[in-house]
Amino acid sequence: EAGVVQSPRYKIIEKKQPVAFWCNPISGHNTLYWYLQNLGQGPELLIRYENEEAVDDSQLPKDRFSAERLKGVDSTLKIQPAELGDSAVYLCASSLEGGELSDTQYFGPGTRLTVL
Amino acid sequence: TQLLEQSPQFLSIQEGENLTVYCNSSSVFSSLQWYRQEPGEGPVLLVTVVTGGEVKKLKRLTFQFGDARKDSSLHITAAQPGDTGLYLCAGSQGNLIFGKGTKLSVKP
Repeated sequence: EAGVVQSPRYKIIEKKQPVAFWCNPISGHNTLYWYLQNLGQGPELLIRYENEEAVDDSQLPKDRFSAERLKGVDSTLKIQPAELGDSAVYLCASSLEGGELSDTQYFGPGTRLTVL
Repeated sequence: TQLLEQSPQFLSIQEGENLTVYCNSSSVFSSLQWYRQEPGEGPVLLVTVVTGGEVKKLKRLTFQFGDARKDSSLHITAAQPGDTGLYLCAGSQGNLIFGKGTKLSVKP
């Protein structure tokens, strides 16, 4: 069974340019997460979806970041415009269900973004 | 604010040595998870501990959850080069809160 798929794996852009990341979760997983991982840090949650609904986007910088999960399957995370400080790895994860005692989250390989 | 403190931050040892890494917090978590992450990959779940005082073993890895559910440790016996990676702990408070990780290097 395929794991979480992310594309692109690497992206280099100049500051002020837009960028988008795509995630295809494991089939049947209702919950999808986007995380940001800076160098030398653990992942930090940006947004969590239950099906197509964003149930927690409190850590998403809404002035420049946006996300969508149309039809409750694939998801796209967008940054517009990108800043130098956005350089990081963007991880997508999925689980069967969310909840207090979280289901196992399965992570994709991430997209490494470099903003010049 | 870093809710989960992991130590040490870096650890370089020889094959066959034992090691322990720690994950400490002032907060109580309903569960705590340990992940291993290799370069260019996402974290992979190793174990989830739920009950205070719980001990789980996974081959040469032993995980312990503190009685108060605020801290945890991971002990590796007879480390092998294949154990090399970033070990992350994550506490559940609805969402997962990750520590910064311990970067382990096991040299042959």
